[in-house]
Amino acid sequence: DVKVTQSSRYLVKRTGEKVFLECVQDMDHENMFWYRQDPGLGLRLIYFSYDVKMKEKGDIPEGYSVSREKKERFSLILESASTNQTSMYLCASSPPGGYNSPLHFGNGTRLTVT
Amino acid sequence: KQEVTQIPAALSVPEGENLVLNCSFTDSAIYNLQWFRQDPGKGLTSLLLIQSSQREQTSGRLNASLDKSSGRSTLYIAASQPGDSATYLCAVTRYSGGGADGLTFGKGTHLIIQP
Repeated sequence: DVKVTQSSRYLVKRTGEKVFLECVQDMDHENMFWYRQDPGLGLRLIYFSYDVKMKEKGDIPEGYSVSREKKERFSLILESASTNQTSMYLCASSPPGGYNSPLHFGNGTRLTVT
Repeated sequence: KQEVTQIPAALSVPEGENLVLNCSFTDSAIYNLQWFRQDPGKGLTSLLLIQSSQREQTSGRLNASLDKSSGRSTLYIAASQPGDSATYLCAVTRYSGGGADGLTFGKGTHLIIQP
C-alpha cells in the first residue's frame, strides 16, 4: 500500500514564524501536491510538483513556497506565518503519467497560527 | 474556472437504505472524476476513479457514474451501513492544454447512517 506520511499531525506556531510542513511518500511517485482544507471552502490546491526540483502554482500559492529536492519528499514552506493560514494541510501523491491514477493522501497536518 | 458542486451537503438515512450522492461540474474538459471518502480529522481515501472516456465504475457496494457532456456524476451506495458514515468528496482532474494541473474538489456530502 502507498504510504504518504506528513511529519506532524498538529502544529502551533506564532505569527511571523517560518514554518515547514513535510511530506514523504514511499512509492516512487512522480507527482506530489499540497492542499489546504477549510470549513465552507473545501480543499484548495496550493502547489504541485511533477518531478524533482520542479514546482507549479496551484490556485492559492500566495504566502507559500515549496521545495522538492528529493523525489520522495515535498515540503510546504510558510515564509512568515499569518493567522489566516490556520488550516488543515493535506499532502497527496500519484504515480508517473498519473492523470488517470487516484491520488493518495496523507492524514493531514492541522496548523494553528496564533 | 472549474467549479464542482455537491448535493446534498448533508444526508442522514437509516441503515440498509440505498442512496445517491450527486456531483456537478461546470467545465467538461476533464481527465477524470474521482470520489473520495474522508473520516473526521483524517486524510482522504480514494474510492473510485472514472476516466473521461468511461461511463461508470464499481467497487463492492459503490457505483459511480459519469456524464461528461452534462457535467454530472453520481455515487450510488447500496445497502448502507453505519461504517459508511463519513464525508464524501467529488473531484475532477483539470485539463489546461499543457496537461493535468491538479484536482478541483467539491465541498463534500456529510453522510450519517443511523444504526
